[in-house]
Amino acid sequence: KAGVTQTPRYLIKTRGQQVTLSCSPISGHRSVSWYQQTPGQGLQFLFEYFSETQRNKGNFPGRFSGRQFSNSRSEMNVSTLELGDSALYLCASSLGLLAGDFPETQYFGPGTRLLVL
Amino acid sequence: QKEVEQNSGPLSVPEGAIASLNCTYSDRGSQSFFWYRQYSGKSPELIMSIYSNGDKEDGRFTAQLNKASQYVSLLIRDSQPSDSATYLCAVSGNNRLAFGKGNQVVVIP
Repeated sequence: KAGVTQTPRYLIKTRGQQVTLSCSPISGHRSVSWYQQTPGQGLQFLFEYFSETQRNKGNFPGRFSGRQFSNSRSEMNVSTLELGDSALYLCASSLGLLAGDFPETQYFGPGTRLLVL
Repeated sequence: QKEVEQNSGPLSVPEGAIASLNCTYSDRGSQSFFWYRQYSGKSPELIMSIYSNGDKEDGRFTAQLNKASQYVSLLIRDSQPSDSATYLCAVSGNNRLAFGKGNQVVVIP
């Protein structure tokens, strides 16, 4: 079974621009979660989507948004990029049959490394 | 208090020795616990999940969970150079997974 795929793998943008990242989950997985990873803050949760609905959201500003399509593929968008948005953006997929405090095992994609200049 | 804490600095272990990693968490209601391994420049890879108090063994890896003490640990037996990586502890809570900042393990041949 193919794993989680993310595109693009690398991206360079300038401050003020916007960016869209894409994630295709493992076949059959309906939940997609997004994380931002930086050396100083570690892995931080952005949001989670299931059946095209955002079920959960982390503590990030509104510049960070996402969506999920009917085929479970997900995109996240960051508008008005800031230098501090430079990070590795990871998506993870899971079956999504459970919610709440019993998250299922999440499998990560290779990530998109974003550099904001 | 941070949700998930992994306080130990880089851990250097000789090849063949046991590496021991610890993780504490703040949400007493957490039910699911995971250990991920992350090689430099790569994404996290799941190595263990544990849901019940006690030990769970998988090959050279053993996860230990003590919910009363809010403590999760990972033991790596017979450490190999390929085990050199950052190990991330993840804990369920508030409808999501919270991750610690990770512990770097260096296995010295």
